[in-house]
Amino acid sequence: QSALTQPASVSGSPGQSITISCTGTSSDFGGYNLVSWYQQHPDKAPKLIIYGVNKRPSGVSDRFSASKSGNTASLTISGLRPEDESDYYCCSYTGGTTTLVFGGGTKVTVL
Amino acid sequence: QVQLQESGPGLVRPSQTLSLTCTVSGGSISSKSHYWSWIRQHSVNGLEWIGYIYYSGGADYNPSLKSRVTISLDSSKNQFSLRVKSVTAADTAVYFCARVPVDESGYPLNFDFWGQGALVTVSS
Repeated sequence: QSALTQPASVSGSPGQSITISCTGTSSDFGGYNLVSWYQQHPDKAPKLIIYGVNKRPSGVSDRFSASKSGNTASLTISGLRPEDESDYYCCSYTGGTTTLVFGGGTKVTVL
Repeated sequence: QVQLQESGPGLVRPSQTLSLTCTVSGGSISSKSHYWSWIRQHSVNGLEWIGYIYYSGGADYNPSLKSRVTISLDSSKNQFSLRVKSVTAADTAVYFCARVPVDESGYPLNFDFWGQGALVTVSS
């Protein structure tokens, strides 16, 4: 399995909604709904914001939502805020030889 | 609150072995509900999963690194460790340790707690 494909960058104005895609092959997702998303600010560790395709850990804003259709997972940030400016990574359990794969990351810019 | 902290040398000579330790607090490394994982991040690339270890000591590795990587557990110290042998400049990265909750079938669900990361530079 190779890395999942994400757009290098996405931008939006405050208050807008943006969507980040995460595309792979059927083997990348392995038929499982074990997709997670991470937010990473500069020089910080990644932070879990979505797991199980569309579940949010306690304390994560409901402005973050996600879905999966076929071989594409998506993360939507609604009501974009300056603090959402960050890098975002998707990750999937594949069930294959490379058990876990990450996307290449997407830089979100708040204009 | 679970906390993880990486430790180890920040500089490793080429062809030598990189060794890092992750100390876990606020949770037991012997938990049957979690795996313990290493992930790395190169300066220009994204995140790369290295591998994880189970409470029993069994482990699963990224095939691209499997021949050079060993992850081990020390339950007495509530720590787990990473060794990467025969390193090159391509192994220069920030190394993170993370906890992986698993479901009742043993499937890894996500990386819910992370260490702050340790920069390891491979250079002579």
